[in-house]
Amino acid sequence: KNEVEQSPQNLTAQEGEFITINCSYSVGISALHWLQQHPGGGIVSLFMLSSGKKKHGRLIATINIQEKHSSLHITASHPRDSAVYICAVGANDMRFGAGTRLTVKP
Amino acid sequence: EAGVAQSPRYKIIEKRQSVAFWCNPISGHATLYWYQQILGQGPKLLIQFQNNGVVDDSQLPKDRFSAERLKGVDSTLKIQPAKLEDSAVYLCASSFGTLEKLFFGSGTQLSVL
Repeated sequence: KNEVEQSPQNLTAQEGEFITINCSYSVGISALHWLQQHPGGGIVSLFMLSSGKKKHGRLIATINIQEKHSSLHITASHPRDSAVYICAVGANDMRFGAGTRLTVKP
Repeated sequence: EAGVAQSPRYKIIEKRQSVAFWCNPISGHATLYWYQQILGQGPKLLIQFQNNGVVDDSQLPKDRFSAERLKGVDSTLKIQPAKLEDSAVYLCASSFGTLEKLFFGSGTQLSVL
């Protein structure tokens, strides 16, 4: 079993829909990162969180340390949100999920 | 603020050849990471430096991969000799510290033929 599991693997949505991507992990962590990777592009760090909830624009990230689970929400999704979203956990030995490929159709 | 710089952007080599990648992190970032991302998978940590010291290289195939960060600033990752399965994107990332936000370079896409 992978140490970091993301779901779904692929997600297709219509513009304007509310989107949720989930991340479950089995290791102890000090921080969890949500990353965004566009096709052919580099990776951008969206959030780093160790507890509670963070919000940036239309993006919201939550983490439940007891349940070892985090969610990334996108409100009012837009085609430019289409990308691979990657969850990564840990500090000195970071482990990555396989990513969730999001496609938002106009 | 300048981002993490990587070069080359693309590299095509034949198996058994050698290749080197270069990374210049954001100024002042003590922590530097090299990741390997195979198509369709999440990145895998190869090596982590804190200044010029190695923090974690447990997943680095040391028989063929080597990395250094001699002056605690820029870093090179070398593969010698390359195998077909080394075809991947090699990403460099840096941060102020191990619990700080990560900044990624654009990556080097390696194709081994």
